[in-house]
Amino acid sequence: DGGITQSPKYLFRKEGQNVTLSCEQNLNHDAMYWYRQDPGQGLRLIYYSQIVNDFQKGDIAEGYSVSREKKESFPLTVTSAQKNPTAFYLCASSGTGASPLHFGNGTRLTVT
Amino acid sequence: RKEVEQDPGPFNVPEGATVAFNCTYSNSASQSFFWYRQDCRKEPKLLMSVYSSGNEDGRFTAQLNRASQYISLLIRDSKLSDSATYLCVVAYWAAGNKLTFGGGTRVLVKP
Repeated sequence: DGGITQSPKYLFRKEGQNVTLSCEQNLNHDAMYWYRQDPGQGLRLIYYSQIVNDFQKGDIAEGYSVSREKKESFPLTVTSAQKNPTAFYLCASSGTGASPLHFGNGTRLTVT
Repeated sequence: RKEVEQDPGPFNVPEGATVAFNCTYSNSASQSFFWYRQDCRKEPKLLMSVYSSGNEDGRFTAQLNRASQYISLLIRDSKLSDSATYLCVVAYWAAGNKLTFGGGTRVLVKP
């Protein structure tokens, strides 16, 4: 079955460490997205990519970095520059045109 | 003003009743609209797209009012399993496939 896979489901890191969250899709979607969700809050866009080797900053890109070397993969690195990294991170993809988003099942990151 | 706004609720709904809530958006050039359902500590899942003429999917009805810039979701004959947070999503594709989420409306269906 086609879908989006995020790993790991739970991630714990010490403050000051960079950490990379994985996102892989086999839906053949061109566009991929990273969102952050804090408790009781909506989703905020971190980065998005419409095509391989190209990506754009979203509303809260500071402290994060991404790469899009393959159509199927869009990893997110949470750097030590991100002041409040503890959150629920959601990866999504969409097809061409006015297509809705399909989400992975998320990664819960806890930084202590 | 936020780009996309929703009443956070919660809307406490007796089982079997009807509930409706809106989502307002600020960009009059917005092109696509969706409703997602999110269960606690899970990823959002697409509930339905919202079409200009309105559309229905079983007990769920979505409407778009471009003049007043809002979309609505109505749930008939509420089930306990309808308890969730409902997120509206507004898309303006010319801005680089940017989709904006509302903060969500929490619905609690009670026996």
